[in-house]
Amino acid sequence: GAGVSQSPRYKVAKRGQDVALRCDPISGHVSLFWYQQALGQGPEFLTYFQNEAQLDKSGLPSDRFFAERPEGSVSTLKIQRTQQEDSAVYLCASSLFRGGTVSYEQYFGPGTRLTVT
Amino acid sequence: KQEVTQIPAALSVPEGENLVLNCSFTDSAIYNLQWFRQDPGKGLTSLLLIQSSQREQTSGRLNASLDKSSGRSTLYIAASQPGDSATYLCAAHMIKAAGNKLTFGGGTRVLVKP
Repeated sequence: GAGVSQSPRYKVAKRGQDVALRCDPISGHVSLFWYQQALGQGPEFLTYFQNEAQLDKSGLPSDRFFAERPEGSVSTLKIQRTQQEDSAVYLCASSLFRGGTVSYEQYFGPGTRLTVT
Repeated sequence: KQEVTQIPAALSVPEGENLVLNCSFTDSAIYNLQWFRQDPGKGLTSLLLIQSSQREQTSGRLNASLDKSSGRSTLYIAASQPGDSATYLCAAHMIKAAGNKLTFGGGTRVLVKP
């Protein structure tokens, strides 16, 4: 079946512009995550949704970052007034995790590479 | 705060040699530990997931072990091939975190020379 898809795959923005990154999770996956990966480093958690509810946004680096998942499926990560330090790959992942003590595997999309000039 | 470390950061081996990749984590309160492969410019491909109650997991030439008490996991790749060249990442699923958040190590870049 179809995996996690992200668009655009590449985005170049001038400093100060707003950008919107889209994630289509695997159909039926309840949980959705956004991660930021700087060059040469491991991904770092940004935010987590269970269905349409944003349960954890502790990793968002500033109030310029905003994420939503209004219908519990597609999610959008928006970055306002982009800065050069926002340049990174933004990864989306989804899983079947529904709560409790059982943990399910996360499936990752190909990422969006954002370059702020 | 959970910290995940991977050593070495880079590794180069001749084809056919076995690979040993190390991952250590500071907080043993994990659901499980997941190993990923990342090719340049691509997303993450899950290789193995070891539940906290398990000691190891195997898939083909890959074997991953988990020792929660010492905070360590090791990924073994037998008889390496040039196609194994990639960055390998380990990630811990934290029990305390809402919804199964992953904490990643910095990765080990592997080059297998023909």
